[in-house]
Amino acid sequence: EVQLVETGGGLVQPGNSLKLSCATSGFTFSTAWMNWIRQTPGKRLEWLAQIEDKSNNYFISYLESVKGRFTISRDDSKSSVYLQMNNLKEEDTAIYYCTRGDVMDAWGQGASVTVSS
Amino acid sequence: DIQMTQSPASLSASLEEIVTITCKASQGIDDYLSWYQQKPGKSPQLLIYDATSLADGVPSRFSGSRSGTQYSLKISRPQVDDSGIYYCLQSYSTPPTFGGGTKLELK
Repeated sequence: EVQLVETGGGLVQPGNSLKLSCATSGFTFSTAWMNWIRQTPGKRLEWLAQIEDKSNNYFISYLESVKGRFTISRDDSKSSVYLQMNNLKEEDTAIYYCTRGDVMDAWGQGASVTVSS
Repeated sequence: DIQMTQSPASLSASLEEIVTITCKASQGIDDYLSWYQQKPGKSPQLLIYDATSLADGVPSRFSGSRSGTQYSLKISRPQVDDSGIYYCLQSYSTPPTFGGGTKLELK
């Protein structure tokens, strides 16, 4: 069974940092392209970043508005993908999901991030 | 960025109707279009990919089609369990972009 489990969410003050983790199982992680998506309180879905696999030199893409603040990474030995978020803003408040592939055929349960003073 | 204009924003339908939700792309996306269903408190789940292909385990009452740059999700004889929010996604170009969602209520 394919599983993706996000951890690391929580309440943070504006300007602070947070690192989300997504542990996966049930598929060959090393060849999967992985994404981070967020869902705002208004239910809007927004793609944030993608990291490709080793055969594609771990190529990374970002949404322009988070470039420079968010960093996606992966550890194939742990079948995990990460999202480092710096200088967080109140508008980053959302549920954060990791997903698999361009088609996003698998989603985690989500990690809630609240940015508030 | 490619804009995905999804309609309607909300929809109330009976169990005997055919439900149709549409997404219009701001430019051609070569059928790189997926549909997702999200139930309350859950993450979105893939229904349709490549515009018309049914994901594993998805009931055959769901189907996808295209006319020009407009993509449609059809639910034939919907069931109460089909209530939720539906989203389209284009993955033709970076950044991938979602439609605004359609909240479906079955009555």
